[in-house]
Amino acid sequence: EVQLVESGGGLVQPGGSLRLSCAASGFTFSDHYMDWVRQAPGKGLEWVGRTRNKANSYTTEYAASVKGRFTVSRDDSQNSLYLQMNSLKTEDTAVYYCARNRRGGSNYDYGFDYWGRGTLVSVSS
Amino acid sequence: DIQMTQSPSSLSASVGDRVTITCRASQGINSYLAWFQQKPGKAPKSLIYAASSLQSGVPSKFSGSGSGTDFTLTISNLQPEDFATYYCQQYKTYPLTFGGGTKVEIK
Repeated sequence: EVQLVESGGGLVQPGGSLRLSCAASGFTFSDHYMDWVRQAPGKGLEWVGRTRNKANSYTTEYAASVKGRFTVSRDDSQNSLYLQMNSLKTEDTAVYYCARNRRGGSNYDYGFDYWGRGTLVSVSS
Repeated sequence: DIQMTQSPSSLSASVGDRVTITCRASQGINSYLAWFQQKPGKAPKSLIYAASSLQSGVPSKFSGSGSGTDFTLTISNLQPEDFATYYCQQYKTYPLTFGGGTKVEIK
């Protein structure tokens, strides 16, 4: 059974840092791209960033709103995905979800197929 | 960035109804379109990828269609567990973008 479990959320002051983790199980983590998506209270979904797999050199992509402040990384030996968040702003307050981007033969993109339950990040003084 | 516009933003329907939600992309995205369902306080659930393909385990009451800029999600025989918010998302280009959501409520 595929499972994604986020952790590391909490209350942090503006300008502070936080590192989120996503523990993956039930599938070959190293095969897939992995993403972070967030949802501010009462708002819609916003894509944050992506890390590709080893076959694609672990390259990353980011939303403009977080580029230069957030870093997506992964440790395939630990089946874990990370989101390092620096210079946090009040508008970063959200539930942060990790999501699996399923990849098939010839790198076919099946989109997001599994999501974690999320972890809440609150940025406030 | 590609803007995704959903309509309506909310709708009221009865158990047993068939409902259709529309999603329009600001530029062509071929069939790189996904649909998600989200219930209050829960994580999104993936329903459809490639505009019309069901994710594993998703019942056939959900169907998607469209390509280019105009897409639809249809839910047949609406049941109490289907009342939720639905989002479309394009994954053709970065940044990946979502529609604003359509809340399906009980009439």
